[in-house]
Amino acid sequence: NAGVTQTPKFQVLKTGQSMTLQCAQDMNHEYMSWYRQDPGMGLRLIHYSVGAGITDQGEVPNGYNVSRSTTEDFPLRLLSAAPSQTSVYFCASSFGTVDNEQFFGPGTRLTVL
Amino acid sequence: ILNVEQSPQSLHVQEGDSTNFTCSFPSSNFYALHWYRWETAKSPEALFVMTLNGDEKKKGRISATLNTKEGYSYLYIKGSQPEDSATYLCARLYNQGGKLIFGQGTELSVKP
Repeated sequence: NAGVTQTPKFQVLKTGQSMTLQCAQDMNHEYMSWYRQDPGMGLRLIHYSVGAGITDQGEVPNGYNVSRSTTEDFPLRLLSAAPSQTSVYFCASSFGTVDNEQFFGPGTRLTVL
Repeated sequence: ILNVEQSPQSLHVQEGDSTNFTCSFPSSNFYALHWYRWETAKSPEALFVMTLNGDEKKKGRISATLNTKEGYSYLYIKGSQPEDSATYLCARLYNQGGKLIFGQGTELSVKP
């Protein structure tokens, strides 16, 4: 199993550009989440999904869109990139929620100029 | 308010010292409390998932306790080693849909 994979590993955008961060998992996990890492703030939840077709907002959803058309994939879209979105983005998945740990992808480092 | 607070923010100890960190969270409507270990340039990895008041879990030299009624969890490391140097994150599950909210982490540095 590849686990949770994320592409790209690094990305530089200009303000106003849009892009999609890809996340995929091959563990047949129903639950997937997107986080951003900010200095001194740990991980902040952007959006999460309980299964195909169902998504919900986390702590910091503004400026980001998600969709979940398959169990395996959970892409994160930046509609109009801003410098405040410069961060490292982590995708995670889990088999369940209450009793199950999350497995994290390797992260995507995004810089918005 | 989705507050998960960790203390201290950072900790510097000598090899062989035992140490502990605190995670505080709202006690109402509790589902689960997670602990993760996060090494620099890597991804977070789960240590424990705790669901019941009074839970105690152990993995090698690392253990954790949970008090859901008063809203706190402790992580203990016995006989710290340099390889324990990492950021330790706790996270509270806010619903069964997977809304996991993290604290800001405790950064541990263990000097040989």
